[in-house]
Amino acid sequence: AQRVTQPEKLLSVFKGAPVELKCNYSYSGSPELFWYVQYSRQRLQLLLRHISRESIKGFTADLNKGETSFHLKKPFAQEEDSAMYYCALSPGGYNKLIFGAGTRLAVHP
Amino acid sequence: DADVTQTPRNRITKTGKRIMLECSQTKGHDRMYWYRQDPGLGLRLIYYSFDVKDINKGEISDGYSVSRQAQAKFSLSLESAIPNQTALYFCATSDSRQGYNSPLHFGNGTRLTVT
Repeated sequence: AQRVTQPEKLLSVFKGAPVELKCNYSYSGSPELFWYVQYSRQRLQLLLRHISRESIKGFTADLNKGETSFHLKKPFAQEEDSAMYYCALSPGGYNKLIFGAGTRLAVHP
Repeated sequence: DADVTQTPRNRITKTGKRIMLECSQTKGHDRMYWYRQDPGLGLRLIYYSFDVKDINKGEISDGYSVSRQAQAKFSLSLESAIPNQTALYFCATSDSRQGYNSPLHFGNGTRLTVT
């Protein structure tokens, strides 16, 4: 079955600490993976996609096909990073995304 | 600013009632989607449409129907609402000109409660 698992409902860190939001997927084909983010009182929006291989707001994510993971990382968390983060898998393209349950990141001063 | 607008923002209805959630967009995108979010679960795809004459079922289409009245409008209907359809509903759009997995642009969501 195609599935996205985000094992942590809440990740709480202090400002300046490293952050890693975990995402594991289940898919037998060649996956396309995304991270979406929802800041307080804002809409859900794309943060980054693995095919772009870019860093957005200091965040990076590497696709590890051996471990079927796509963890989101940032070396030094900022308070403005506090948000809900969703990992998503596109198994067949055309944005028929399968979302994980989300992880709330709380960055404390 | 180009936008994705969902109406209503909140709705309370009774079991058995027919209800329509509306989505309109000024982004000029050709693809539109309806997702549902339940507490502790990710978003799940209900229906999607790649143009006005194209409607496709998603993962959880039972109990729902849609209408793509124009490129800019995509409505979701619950023919006979039941309590387990209580959820947060999101409309989203994407632009095929940006590629087959172009970013989704979401509305603010409609919170539906079925009593």
